[in-house]
Amino acid sequence: SQTIHQWPATLVQPVGSPLSLECTVEGTSNPNLYWYRQAAGRGLQLLFYSVGIGQISSEVPQNLSASRPQDRQFILSSKKLLLSDSGFYLCAWSPSVSWKVNEQFFGPGTRLTVL
Amino acid sequence: KNEVEQSPQNLTAQEGEFITINCSYSVGISALHWLQQHPGGGIVSLFMLSSGKKKHGRLIATINIQEKHSSLHITASHPRDSAVYICAVGIESYNDMRFGAGTRLTVKP
Repeated sequence: SQTIHQWPATLVQPVGSPLSLECTVEGTSNPNLYWYRQAAGRGLQLLFYSVGIGQISSEVPQNLSASRPQDRQFILSSKKLLLSDSGFYLCAWSPSVSWKVNEQFFGPGTRLTVL
Repeated sequence: KNEVEQSPQNLTAQEGEFITINCSYSVGISALHWLQQHPGGGIVSLFMLSSGKKKHGRLIATINIQEKHSSLHITASHPRDSAVYICAVGIESYNDMRFGAGTRLTVKP
């Protein structure tokens, strides 16, 4: 069966520090991968999606970046965190290229607090 | 105006009550999802709909494509149903997904 892992579960970082969040998927090949952010009291927002190794699409301009060094690994990074980067970050995967008609499966999330 | 609107924002019910959460959208979609987010933050996908109606235990989801409206119903509600329920739509024209702000449901014993 497929599972999705995220770490760390919680993170407290000072403003200006770097960030690296990792997401890995097991039990499937060539998944579509997604990074979402949920700011406090707000809905989910798609940040990045990837349909393959090295292929990243960004939905919103920001100081975050994403990379997909391996088929089932998706990394969210920042060189310098801002206060506004605080939130709950969710990784998700879907089982086919045409994700629009397939369910997305969400990871447990990382709660990031930038102080 | 948001592309995906949910109502109500907050809902408190007594155990056993029938619950309805509504979702309206203003864009062309390929599918509509109902998600459940537990207090710890974890999200579970409940339903994915492109037409008609689906049932899973005490949960029922319906969608009316012409009216651009979906409802999530919970029969015989239970305190463990307390969570945030999120409506999300997959956009037709490009690879994107839009989310409603969520409905916070509290079921009291």
